[in-house]
Amino acid sequence: TQLLEQSPQFLSIQEGENLTVYCNSSSVFSSLQWYRQEPGEGPVLLVTVVTGGEVKKLKRLTFQFGDARKDSSLHITAAQPGDTGLYLCAGVSPGAGNNRKLIWGLGTSLAVNP
Amino acid sequence: DSGVTQTPKHLITATGQRVTLRCSPRSGDLSVYWYQQSLDQGLQFLIHYYNGEERAKGNILERFSAQQFPDLHSELNLSSLELGDSALYFCASSFSRDGYGYTFGSGTRLTVV
Repeated sequence: TQLLEQSPQFLSIQEGENLTVYCNSSSVFSSLQWYRQEPGEGPVLLVTVVTGGEVKKLKRLTFQFGDARKDSSLHITAAQPGDTGLYLCAGVSPGAGNNRKLIWGLGTSLAVNP
Repeated sequence: DSGVTQTPKHLITATGQRVTLRCSPRSGDLSVYWYQQSLDQGLQFLIHYYNGEERAKGNILERFSAQQFPDLHSELNLSSLELGDSALYFCASSFSRDGYGYTFGSGTRLTVV
């Protein structure tokens, strides 16, 4: 069974601090997605990483896909209260058609305090 | 507004009852996915429809069923409800069959009392 473990589960920091959250698995994924979910809303896709070692930046957010495509990290620089939310990673399993599955982590709940 | 519309937003019902959740996908999207989200189990994939046909089943109970209509909207039917069915139910849509890059709706919060 493919699993995605996210750490830490909860994180509470002050505005302006930097942070990194992790998404780890023992399985290889063909790609990995990061979502942010705010209370009362559905997850919103932030980025998809596809190539091992790939780094993508979205303003103050930096996403990295591990070389072996088994893990990923999300680094936020100078966090702001608007970054508060649940960060979810989802890995796309290798395969084609119906064999391809999206495996979800449980998420990291981030609170950025003003 | 993500473009994916889910109704109702909140639903409170008694054990043993049956409810229907509705989802209209984003314009042009052919795939609809249903998910259940609870605090302890995270997002659990239930079922996927593409252009009216069932494509994949996940952890969907036999008491639950879904369909996608010719106009591409989808309904999730939950019957013989139990307390443990209380959760957020999300619908997501995408253009492709393969599920890259979902767009989620705002969800339906179901409370079974």
